[in-house]
Amino acid sequence: QVQLQESGPRLVKPSQTLSLTCTLSGGSISSGNYYWNWIRQPAGKGLEWIGHISTSGSTNCNPSLKSRVTILLDTSKNHFSLSLSSVTAADTAVYFCARVHANYNGPDVWGQGTTVTVSS
Amino acid sequence: SYELTQPPSVSVSPGQTARITCSGDALPKQYAYWYQQKPGQAPVVVIYKDYERPSGIPERFSGSSSGTIATLTISGVQAEDEADYYCRSADGGGTSFGGGTKLTVL
Repeated sequence: QVQLQESGPRLVKPSQTLSLTCTLSGGSISSGNYYWNWIRQPAGKGLEWIGHISTSGSTNCNPSLKSRVTILLDTSKNHFSLSLSSVTAADTAVYFCARVHANYNGPDVWGQGTTVTVSS
Repeated sequence: SYELTQPPSVSVSPGQTARITCSGDALPKQYAYWYQQKPGQAPVVVIYKDYERPSGIPERFSGSSSGTIATLTISGVQAEDEADYYCRSADGGGTSFGGGTKLTVL
């Protein structure tokens, strides 16, 4: 069964870089035709798409975050990562990773999410 | 990314039918996905590709799309269906989520 698990620091200081990893189990991150996504949700608010990387390595990001976001795929470790630079308190949220079929022929798989707080 | 609009709240009595809409200009060309999210949990996809239902999702959940509006229908609503529901779609510019609809079972 395919599962995703987010990991990384739960507390990040303002102006620093938030770094998270999403590890895939039950499958290979280098096979199939998928988009590997990052999504976040501030407390009490809705879902915000951050960006994705395809199995082939091409990326696409939310225009509102694009200047601060880097998403990378590491096939040797079967994971993909998110870096969000110059964070502020507004970046405090639950961060989810998700696998989405690029050709729409199946449902998404989401991680359980990890809470990241930006505070000094 | 582009805008998807959902009603903030929908209320129904148990056994009734709930309909949650999602409107967006790109929906005629792009598929809609629907997610159920309960407090403290990750979203779960209940409908993908406009109307496909994943295994394990009850048959009372169905989806449809016509023009610029996608609709999630929950027939015979049960107390356990009370949750936030989000639509999602994508175009060449990226992915967007609707603002979410809180379904209250009276």
